[in-house]
Amino acid sequence: QQQVKQSPQSLIVQKGGIPIINCAYENTAFDYFPWYQQFPGKGPALLIAIRPDVSEKKEGRFTISFNKSAKQFSLHIMDSQPGDSATYFCAAARRGDDKIIFGKGTRLHILP
Amino acid sequence: EPEVTQTPSHQVTQMGQEVILRCVPISNHLYFYWYRQILGQKVEFLVSFYNNEISEKSEIFDDQFSVERPDGSNFTLKIRSTKLEDSAMYFCASSTFGGTGEYFSGNIQYFGAGTRLSVL
Repeated sequence: QQQVKQSPQSLIVQKGGIPIINCAYENTAFDYFPWYQQFPGKGPALLIAIRPDVSEKKEGRFTISFNKSAKQFSLHIMDSQPGDSATYFCAAARRGDDKIIFGKGTRLHILP
Repeated sequence: EPEVTQTPSHQVTQMGQEVILRCVPISNHLYFYWYRQILGQKVEFLVSFYNNEISEKSEIFDDQFSVERPDGSNFTLKIRSTKLEDSAMYFCASSTFGGTGEYFSGNIQYFGAGTRLSVL
């Protein structure tokens, strides 16, 4: 119930392609879905987040698509660049909770 | 840009020894957190701390763990008697406000680069 399932575990995409990372959750009490980006040697950094009352959120080249009925959400990276190579974590949290529940992460590599 | 700093970056210890992991949160933040990531696993919440008290803790955060804010700048995680399974990357985070269910800039959690703990 408290899990967030993330796939794929790793992803290799050519520069300019659109990597898609998928996540699913069970707990309908979750109402905050952030994505974190982590570069080697650094901590996770908030990239973009969405609440379940919207189906899509776009910030620059990063888009979250949210399907509340399916309890799934995904991250799309438009016009991907080698600098986007990092580990991406989807996550979920419940209103009022301090803890963030993380997925296992996707290691993304963008080929030049 | 202000950041959360953690020291040391790598700590090696013998099983049964006590370790203290140190963090300097962002200066105007009021809420502090510890997470850990066992190699190849997901990042897991350990504890949150506000106003010199534990606000929330997970089932991982048992009696072997304790947190403290010994002065106005440091936030520490102590593991009293380390076990092999405590080997992990430990992340400190801080935010202005708590309660991540409300998405506004004040309660975004900012993470440090982590301390890799190796228990031998």
